[in-house]
Amino acid sequence: QKEVEQNSGPLSVPEGAIASLNCTYSDRGSQSFFWYRQYSGKSPELIMFIYSNGDKEDGRFTAQLNKASQYVSLLIRDSQPSDSATYLCAVNLSGGGADGLTFGKGTHLIIQP
Amino acid sequence: GAVVSQHPSWVICKSGTSVKIECRSLDFQATTMFWYRQFPKQSLMLMATSNEGSKATYEQGVEKDKFLINHASLTLSTLTVTSAHPEDSSFYICSAPLVGLSGELFFGEGSRLTVL
Repeated sequence: QKEVEQNSGPLSVPEGAIASLNCTYSDRGSQSFFWYRQYSGKSPELIMFIYSNGDKEDGRFTAQLNKASQYVSLLIRDSQPSDSATYLCAVNLSGGGADGLTFGKGTHLIIQP
Repeated sequence: GAVVSQHPSWVICKSGTSVKIECRSLDFQATTMFWYRQFPKQSLMLMATSNEGSKATYEQGVEKDKFLINHASLTLSTLTVTSAHPEDSSFYICSAPLVGLSGELFFGEGSRLTVL
């Protein structure tokens, strides 16, 4: 049974600070890792994906992957009130897109002005 | 990026009626599409995998006779909720993968179903 675990929060971070979101997964065969942002009542939108150990940066977002520890994180620098949302971690076992993704329950992030 | 369109975005129906939700990939072909359901404050739960030209694959606990899936073409999958009941009220989201190394999923806008 593939599992993806996230702290549901809410995680409250002051505006301008770094928000750190964490995710662990149980299946060592997982090859691709995704962070989605979901605003209330909306469908998820992709922020980043990562499949190699280490860091991947895109603007204010940095994804970090440690396959040995089965741990993936998302850092949001200079956090803004518009970053307030639920962040979903997802993993793909095959890496080829054919098997769908397994999602965590999401972390509710609140950026305080 | 790739676009997946879902329709309708919200629907209200009476108990016992059937509701059809469409999911289209607008600028790419999708031999596979996924249907998720999300209850308030819960995570996305995969219901079924829709396969073009063959039967859908349902997740454990999802009634195939109640949630009919048809993948008629490389750009269209439909989910029909038959004999809907209030407990079927939920947010239904389709997605299609961009096949390749990343396995990235593109999501439709979602369809909010309310069964009275």
